[in-house]
Amino acid sequence: GAGVSQSPSNKVTEKGKDVELRCDPISGHTALYWYRQSLGQGLEFLIYFQGNSAPDKSGLPSDRFSAERTGGSVSTLTIQRTQQEDSAVYLCASSRTGDETQYFGPGTRLLVL
Amino acid sequence: KQEVTQIPAALSVPEGENLVLNCSFTDSAIYNLQWFRQDPGKGLTSLLLIQSSQREQTSGRLNASLDKSSGRSTLYIAASQPGDSATYLCAVKSGGSNYKLTFGKGTLLTVNP
Repeated sequence: GAGVSQSPSNKVTEKGKDVELRCDPISGHTALYWYRQSLGQGLEFLIYFQGNSAPDKSGLPSDRFSAERTGGSVSTLTIQRTQQEDSAVYLCASSRTGDETQYFGPGTRLLVL
Repeated sequence: KQEVTQIPAALSVPEGENLVLNCSFTDSAIYNLQWFRQDPGKGLTSLLLIQSSQREQTSGRLNASLDKSSGRSTLYIAASQPGDSATYLCAVKSGGSNYKLTFGKGTLLTVNP
């Protein structure tokens, strides 16, 4: 079946612009996660959704970052007034209730010039 | 705060060799530990998941062990093949959270034909 999909696969933007990154989880997966992978760094947790609620936003690095999830499915991660340090690969994962495994999408590579 | 360290950062071996990748974590109060594989330009693929009550898990040529009390895990790859070349990531679920994964920075494995 279809896995987690993310769009766009690559995004180049200018400093100060806003960007939206999209994640389509596996159908039926109630939990959705966003991670960021910066060059030379490990993956860092950003936010977790259970259904449409985000009980843990502790990983969002600043108030320029926000995320929402609608219909218990698609999620959008928005970065406002992008900075060069926001350049990274943004990975989305989903999991179903009772399954410990998180299934990852291919990521969106964001480059802020 | 949970910290995950992976050693070595990079490893190059000839085809057919058996090898061990190491992962250590600072907080032994974990729910589980996962090993992932990441291919260039792609997302993560879950290889093995070990629950905190388990000592090891096996899948084909892969064997992962867990020593929770000492904060260590190893991933053993038998009879390595060029197709095993990838970055291997270790992640733990812990810290009172039943969803947040803390990742190491990974080991870049190259298996030479």
